[in-house]
Amino acid sequence: NAGVTQTPKFQVLKTGQSMTLQCAQDMNHEYMSWYRQDPGMGLRLIHYSVGAGITDQGEVPNGYNVSRSTTEDFPLRLLSAAPSQTSVYFCASTPDWNTGELFFGEGSRLTVL
Amino acid sequence: DAKTTQPNSMESNEEEPVHLPCNHSTISGTDYIHWYRQLPSQGPEYVIHGLTSNVNNRMASLAIAEDRKSSTLILHRATLRDAAVYYCILQDNYGQNFVFGPGTRLSVLP
Repeated sequence: NAGVTQTPKFQVLKTGQSMTLQCAQDMNHEYMSWYRQDPGMGLRLIHYSVGAGITDQGEVPNGYNVSRSTTEDFPLRLLSAAPSQTSVYFCASTPDWNTGELFFGEGSRLTVL
Repeated sequence: DAKTTQPNSMESNEEEPVHLPCNHSTISGTDYIHWYRQLPSQGPEYVIHGLTSNVNNRMASLAIAEDRKSSTLILHRATLRDAAVYYCILQDNYGQNFVFGPGTRLSVLP
């Protein structure tokens, strides 16, 4: 079972470069979200989606864009990378917010120099 | 978002029960209490959740205080594989934002 798949697992960028973190899930979940985790801290919500074509901002959306053209995919775009965006990024999905069970990917570690 | 307070770290011996506390004094009547854990270099993993009544599943038990201002995650027999950071989270009525605090780092000693 693939579950939630994130690519790439590691990435190094220079300040100002753009890139896209990919997230795909094969569980037909309507709800998907992106979190970032900084060293020694919990996760913070960046953006989320409640279905194809619908996205909304979370706690820390600045510097990131998302789109949801299909149920399966929820890419996260960094428009102009900054050192403050050095972090580990996690994608999660759930069939229903009310069930409470988020399924997370293994994470993408991003370093911005 | 209502906040939770957890100890920074705890230790347990292998094969002994572990009680991980969480305070959430500002919880509202419709907030669900969730527990996730994060093993090293992995994404968080769902453990258990509840609203008012105590809950049991194959991984753990969740004991919720009568006033709901605190809860305790119970691992009945800790194993080395249970060493992780455990997060206590309140899910608000709209559900979209699971607020992960720093959590409790559990060490399990052989």
